[in-house]
Amino acid sequence: DTGVSQNPRHKITKRGQNVTFRCDPISEHNRLYWYRQTLGQGPEFLTYFQNEAQLEKSRLLSDRFSAERPKGSFSTLEIQRTEQGDSAMYLCASSSYQDRTDTQYFGPGTRLTVL
Amino acid sequence: SQQGEEDPQALSIQEGENATMNCSYKTSINNLQWYRQNSGRGLVHLILIRSNEREKHSGRLRVTLDTSKKSSSLLITASRAADTASYFCATGLTNDYKLSFGAGTTVTVRA
Repeated sequence: DTGVSQNPRHKITKRGQNVTFRCDPISEHNRLYWYRQTLGQGPEFLTYFQNEAQLEKSRLLSDRFSAERPKGSFSTLEIQRTEQGDSAMYLCASSSYQDRTDTQYFGPGTRLTVL
Repeated sequence: SQQGEEDPQALSIQEGENATMNCSYKTSINNLQWYRQNSGRGLVHLILIRSNEREKHSGRLRVTLDTSKKSSSLLITASRAADTASYFCATGLTNDYKLSFGAGTTVTVRA
């Protein structure tokens, strides 16, 4: 069990550019979540996958954001035409439906800075 | 919108003292979880308490839950410098897998 990993850890981009983040969940975890955290705040839910199906999306996830989880393993989160307001820490978490508590295990996050 | 609110926002204590922080929430929940976050890093799961439980212990951590008051508390006993971090409560609803986090309590343990 190597934990949830996220890449890159840091990303600096210019406004208007597209960025893509990757999350590798704990192996055999069928549930995967994306959250966004801004400075001084707690994480806010963005979207959730069960296997490869995206089951829920927050209103925070504008049409510039898209997430995928092909084959139900790793996931990518893409932000198109980035804006300064997108600057935040993007956190990925995974959990297993076999865990009755459905505890979510978080990765280290990707910190995005939009200049 | 965030469901939980932690109190206090910040807490500074001496090593060896106990630290207590509270979390209030708005709607009925299935479970409440506490996470720790060291500066600029990911969240570490500390403890989960279900809505039908009133108290839970894990090492130096003690969590209580009062569903009638929609509140929870996290007690860290005999604090250490390594406990310096932000602590978040997160609520889970029945048949809803996402977590709703509060804004967190920042704890500083002075040597």
